[in-house]
Amino acid sequence: GAGVSQSPSNKVTEKGKDVELRCDPISGHTALYWYRQSLGQGLEFLIYFQGNSAPDKSGLPSDRFSAERTGGSVSTLTIQRTQQEDSAVYLCASSLIGLNTGELFFGEGSRLTVL
Amino acid sequence: DQQVKQNSPSLSVQEGRISILNCDYTNSMFDYFLWYKKYPAEGPTFLISISSIKDKNEDGRFTVFLNKSAKHLSLHIVPSQPGDSAVYFCAASDTGGGNKLTFGTGTQLKVEL
Repeated sequence: GAGVSQSPSNKVTEKGKDVELRCDPISGHTALYWYRQSLGQGLEFLIYFQGNSAPDKSGLPSDRFSAERTGGSVSTLTIQRTQQEDSAVYLCASSLIGLNTGELFFGEGSRLTVL
Repeated sequence: DQQVKQNSPSLSVQEGRISILNCDYTNSMFDYFLWYKKYPAEGPTFLISISSIKDKNEDGRFTVFLNKSAKHLSLHIVPSQPGDSAVYFCAASDTGGGNKLTFGTGTQLKVEL
């Protein structure tokens, strides 16, 4: 498809396990963002990629969270030793060059439930 | 520290009437503001934006107003339609200081027949 694709759409895991969430941005979009939405909360910024580098990773909540992007395209968000407070919808977005127009294109999200 | 605030978690409006969604911000460096709309089980989609050099931007039924001195913006939907029922997120960016959007907590709009 032409939009931002995320997988898995739903993930249930046990506390302490590692999870990987994948994002396939719109072709040609150089900027990629990860956000998360916890229950009753707004969208919380996690990390921003420009190409394969991450100039802003200030939103990653702990060192259990990491992300990488390869080939200027697909990105993977990894959460190690998951905790119950990691339960949220993780949203990926991409944009053509940056925020001059401000329009981000979001995927449908990956809902993570940590039991 | 919630830099973008949407103090009304929900709003109910009759079809055909005006919907007014409000947003306040605290960071004076924000110079670009956006509204996103989100349906259940979908990602947010861009609706309308405004630069800080303007105080109004209109697109069809949607108008965004910006009051910089009050650090307040609002989204007006006229006339409201049942298909407008969704969660609306206000977002802001400091275009000179980074590339991330800071989002509010959202307002659930319900347009009733």
